[in-house]
Amino acid sequence: EAGVTQFPSHSVIEKGQTVTLRCDPISGHDNLYWYRRVMGKEIKFLLHFVKESKQDESGMPNNRFLAERTGGTYSTLKVQPAELEDSGVYFCASSQFEAAGSPLHFGNGTRLTVT
Amino acid sequence: SQKIEQNSEALNIQEGKTATLTCNYTNYSPAYLQWYRQDPGRGPVFLLLIRENEKEKRKERLKVTFDTTLKQSLFHITASQPADSATYLCALLKNTDKLIFGTGTRLQVFP
Repeated sequence: EAGVTQFPSHSVIEKGQTVTLRCDPISGHDNLYWYRRVMGKEIKFLLHFVKESKQDESGMPNNRFLAERTGGTYSTLKVQPAELEDSGVYFCASSQFEAAGSPLHFGNGTRLTVT
Repeated sequence: SQKIEQNSEALNIQEGKTATLTCNYTNYSPAYLQWYRQDPGRGPVFLLLIRENEKEKRKERLKVTFDTTLKQSLFHITASQPADSATYLCALLKNTDKLIFGTGTRLQVFP
């Protein structure tokens, strides 16, 4: 089966611009997560979708970040306007079951650089 | 605040030896603990899950222990190989799916 795919793999934008990251989860996985790793720090949770609904968005840093999952398939994460501190690697992950402890399948991430 | 500590220093071991990585946590009572492997430029890959009522879990050359009294998990790779070189992440969660990651320990296995 195809894994979780993320696009683009790299993005370099200027402060104040807008960037949209895309994630295609494994087919049939209702649960989709966004995580972020900023330089030198641990990977941190951003939000969790179950199908098209936001289950938990407690990790979203501020209202410059908007995540959507229309139709319950792929998801987008938009940053508008981007700030320097938004630089990092954004990971998407999916899982088949909502039950706690289910392994997450991660994509290879989008490396975002804001200059 | 909740804190997960993994050795920030890289662990260098010789091929064939057992690698032991440590994950300590404070101010947290996880129901589950997971270990992931991450290679440069790639996303984390799930390795093992252990529940709070389990002391030990094995999978091929991998073994994980979970001591809720010490608030510690140990991750062992026996008969290590150069291909095992990677960063290993521990991650905790309670009864939700919000994983909390440690910063990871880089393992280097040399021939």
